[in-house]
Amino acid sequence: DTGVSQNPRHKITKRGQNVTFRCDPISEHNRLYWYRQTLGQGPEFLTYFQNEAQLEKSRLLSDRFSAERPKGSFSTLEIQRTEQGDSAMYLCASSRGAGDYNEQFFGPGTRLTVL
Amino acid sequence: GDSVTQMEGPVTLSEEAFLTINCTYTATGYPSLFWYVQYPGEGLQLLLKATKADDKGSNKGFEATYRKETTSFHLEKGSVQVSDSAVYFCALSPNNAGNMLTFGGGTRLMVKP
Repeated sequence: DTGVSQNPRHKITKRGQNVTFRCDPISEHNRLYWYRQTLGQGPEFLTYFQNEAQLEKSRLLSDRFSAERPKGSFSTLEIQRTEQGDSAMYLCASSRGAGDYNEQFFGPGTRLTVL
Repeated sequence: GDSVTQMEGPVTLSEEAFLTINCTYTATGYPSLFWYVQYPGEGLQLLLKATKADDKGSNKGFEATYRKETTSFHLEKGSVQVSDSAVYFCALSPNNAGNMLTFGGGTRLMVKP
């Protein structure tokens, strides 16, 4: 059990560029969550997957954002045409399932800075 | 919708002082409640949880009791250490199929020797 990993840890981009982040969950965890955390705030839910199916998306997830989890393993979060307001820490979490098995383990995050 | 409100920080204490960080919530139904901690330079870690009314979660000397009548889940520790300096987040999960977490804004704790 090596924990949830995220890459890259830091990303600096110019406004209007596309960026993609990757999350590798704990092996055998069925659920994978994406959250966004801005400075001085708590994380906000973006979306989650049960295996490869994306089951819920927050209204925060505009049409510039897309997430995938092919084959139910790692996940990617892509932001198209980045804006300065997208600057934040993007957190990934995974869990074994629902109910008592829903303890979510968080990765270290990817910090995005949009210039 | 669901929401979590926690006291603003920073909270500055001397070592061995008593700690309370207030947390109240608004939710329909019977959510599960959590405290997460974020140490400097590290990811969020689950500190403790409670899944039903009157449950007490505890870990590493920290405790919190699920109070449905006051919709609260205050975090307490009898004697803080310098190593407890971190940001603490209260969160709830609605216990529906999604179980996504709703977080409070976080409270920074600084413990001085």
